[in-house]
Amino acid sequence: GNSVTQMEGPVTLSEEAFLTINCTYTATGYPSLFWYVQYPGEGLQLLLKATKADDKGSNKGFEATYRKETTSFHLEKGSVQVSDSAVYFCALRNSGGGADGLTFGKGTHLIIQP
Amino acid sequence: ETGVTQSPTHLIKTRGQQVTLRCSSQSGHNTVSWYQQALGQGPQFIFQYYREEENGRGNFPPRFSGLQFPNYSSELNVNALELDDSALYLCASSLDAYNEQFFGPGTRLTVL
Repeated sequence: GNSVTQMEGPVTLSEEAFLTINCTYTATGYPSLFWYVQYPGEGLQLLLKATKADDKGSNKGFEATYRKETTSFHLEKGSVQVSDSAVYFCALRNSGGGADGLTFGKGTHLIIQP
Repeated sequence: ETGVTQSPTHLIKTRGQQVTLRCSSQSGHNTVSWYQQALGQGPQFIFQYYREEENGRGNFPPRFSGLQFPNYSSELNVNALELDDSALYLCASSLDAYNEQFFGPGTRLTVL
């Protein structure tokens, strides 16, 4: 079955530091890959996505590249801000469509200190 | 445009009871998916409704059931509550089963 593994948190960084959150996956076929962010007391928000190999998703300074050869979708940002503090989830969806739902990793809690 | 809303925000039940959670989908969306998020874990897919029919289900027992109404709002029903059912229940709506899912803020269920 499908699974997503992401680095354990919490990850604590200083403002303006470089961020990497690792994500690897196991899936049949060619899934679509996503990063979601969850701010305290709120629901999940889609941060970025990629639907095929070598695609790069980007949004709000965050980037992730779909690497089929390493089954990875690592999240990066060049300079983090205090406002980026949140829980980040890597997720996948089968290429057959949405009826199987999204498969999420356990989440990585990111803490940015001023 | 109103986003996905869920009610209630918080709920406390005792073991063995039944609970109903509600979700209003975003305007124009005909698909609703439900997820369970235990503390410190990622969301787990419960099931999905498309145009009032269940069209996908995760690894959850039959005591988790749902409905979708003609206006595409949805309910999640859980019978015979267990302590492990304590979690944040998230609803997500989408234009159809293949499009981006937009999540609501969730309902926090505590089972004592």
